[in-house]
Amino acid sequence: DTEVTQTPKHLVMGMTNKKSLKCEQHMGHRAMYWYKQKAKKPPELMFVYSYEKLSINESVPSRFSPECPNSSLLNLHLHALQPEDSALYLCASSQDLRGQGRTGELFFGEGSRLTVL
Amino acid sequence: EDQVTQSPEALRLQEGESSSLNCSYTVSGLRGLFWYRQDPGKGPEFLFTLYSAGEEKEKERLKATLTKKESFLHITAPKPEDSATYLCAGYSGTYKYIFGTGTRLKVLA
Repeated sequence: DTEVTQTPKHLVMGMTNKKSLKCEQHMGHRAMYWYKQKAKKPPELMFVYSYEKLSINESVPSRFSPECPNSSLLNLHLHALQPEDSALYLCASSQDLRGQGRTGELFFGEGSRLTVL
Repeated sequence: EDQVTQSPEALRLQEGESSSLNCSYTVSGLRGLFWYRQDPGKGPEFLFTLYSAGEEKEKERLKATLTKKESFLHITAPKPEDSATYLCAGYSGTYKYIFGTGTRLKVLA
């Protein structure tokens, strides 16, 4: 069983809707990520939070708004999306091993399948 | 520019037919090479981490190896349940994991 939990598993929304994707982990990881994945493509990084602060925004359109309320939770707020935003949205977390000169593996959730009509 | 390339794109094997998947990387100051398995519509499942050339890791029918330029995922006597997409990723620092495009493996009974 994955230790990163994402809800909802499936979401269908219109272009004028506002919805949110949620992610939770209880592994004590201090880095949390949002990735977007299209069919037969690798995951594409969107945002990274490190110690609850936004560290990376890969030039993602403002219709995607991330939020990290605490060290266990990560949200992705969606507004005025386009049909091309339909994809599998993956949340991941990793352990901070920078003090050991290396990095930990990413642990992914099962993903939220988003369809924009 | 940091890059990870996987080959072949797709692979069909008969059950029991061993093979290897390749992951070539050019990642400056590589700080970890990761292998994942991904089933359709699901998130990637972590398999292995390799940190230095010469390192090997094994799990059931899978064995991952690392050289200074590439990594291999060896699959010994595969079963149909090993069918999945296998992704490798190199870590370049500052939370950037560089993913390859994956190898889609199909094992026929």
